[in-house]
Amino acid sequence: AQSVTQLGSHVSVSEGALVLLRCNYSSSVPPYLFWYVQYPNQGLQLLLKYTSAATLVKGINGFEAEFKKSETSFHLTKPSAHMSDAAEYFCAGKLYNNNDMRFGAGTRLTVKP
Amino acid sequence: DADVTQTPRNRITKTGKRIMLECSQTKGHDRMYWYRQDPGLGLRLIYYSFDVKDINKGEISDGYSVSRQAQAKFSLSLESAIPNQTALYFCATSRSGSVDTQYFGPGTRLTVL
Repeated sequence: AQSVTQLGSHVSVSEGALVLLRCNYSSSVPPYLFWYVQYPNQGLQLLLKYTSAATLVKGINGFEAEFKKSETSFHLTKPSAHMSDAAEYFCAGKLYNNNDMRFGAGTRLTVKP
Repeated sequence: DADVTQTPRNRITKTGKRIMLECSQTKGHDRMYWYRQDPGLGLRLIYYSFDVKDINKGEISDGYSVSRQAQAKFSLSLESAIPNQTALYFCATSRSGSVDTQYFGPGTRLTVL
């Protein structure tokens, strides 16, 4: 079975600073990987997904993530944080032949003015 | 209009009561899912359904049951609610295929006293 681990339950950055949210997966084969964002009192919204087509994936709102097989990682980055990026972010993964999507515990991003 | 809707959005009930949470979707997706979200644990899969005649247990199905009344409707029931079922519940949908990107409803906040 595969699992997804997010390092850091809470990340705080200043407005304009780099955002880096960490995600690692454990599986015998590279899974499909996703980043979702959850704004207060809302459901999860897909930011981006990795489906083995390209290792650097660009998503909405200026976010991108790079799949690194050697590090079993799929970290989410944004060059310059905006106040509106404050939310909770979830990394998730599933194997291509498995129906079970596994979510990380989530990372709450705070953006300071 | 929202593609995935959940009713009710908030519910407070007492231990031992039967509760039903409903999910409807207009996305035309064949697959539907129920998750619960707990702080620090991310989302965990309760049940999923790949079509009207297909129901599968997820990671934490004990104490829950589901019904897929139609392709667009998927209900989650708590036969006898207990306090540790207090959580945020999300419905999600996806279209069958190798990537299986999931789209989430706004959530139902359930409190069991």
